[in-house]
Amino acid sequence: GNSVTQMEGPVTLSEEAFLTINCTYTATGYPSLFWYVQYPGEGLQLLLKATKADDKGSNKGFEATYRKETTSFHLEKGSVQVSDSAVYFCALRLSGGSNYKLTFGKGTLLTVNP
Amino acid sequence: EAQVTQNPRYLITVTGKKLTVTCSQNMNHEYMSWYRQDPGLGLRQIYYSMNVEVTDKGDVPEGYKVSRKEKRNFPLILESPSPNQTSLYFCASSSDRDPTPMYFGAGTRLSVL
Repeated sequence: GNSVTQMEGPVTLSEEAFLTINCTYTATGYPSLFWYVQYPGEGLQLLLKATKADDKGSNKGFEATYRKETTSFHLEKGSVQVSDSAVYFCALRLSGGSNYKLTFGKGTLLTVNP
Repeated sequence: EAQVTQNPRYLITVTGKKLTVTCSQNMNHEYMSWYRQDPGLGLRQIYYSMNVEVTDKGDVPEGYKVSRKEKRNFPLILESPSPNQTSLYFCASSSDRDPTPMYFGAGTRLSVL
């Protein structure tokens, strides 16, 4: 079946540190890949996406590249801020079919300290 | 402003007392779905709907019902809630023309005692 595995948290960093959150996937077919962010007390927001191999999604200083050969979509940011503290979810969606279901990883809690 | 609105945001109830969590979107989206979020498990899909009167089960449908009588509304019904349905619930919607990204509501935190 389809699945997403992301690194266990929590991740605690100091402000301006480099961030990597690993995400790998298993899927039949050719998925689109996403990162969502959930700030405390809020719903999920789409952070970035990539729909085909070698695409790079980027937003708010975050980046992730769709690596088909390693089935990965790692999230990176060069310099984190306290305001980046949140839970980050990696997800995939298969193209075609009638259910636009997102399959999520378990989430990674990021805490950034001043 | 594009919105997915869930009510209530917080609910404490007792085992067996029927409840409904409402979800409404103002974007004329065809596709709507419900997820539950549990610690260590991420989000799992409960039910989804492709359009009015078209609904189907997701990964964890047991103990839940849904209806889609109007395009904008997609209520989640717990006929006889049990403690294992204590969770954080999210409603989401998206368009046929652009199935992603999905827009999520702010969530409903349910406690079943």
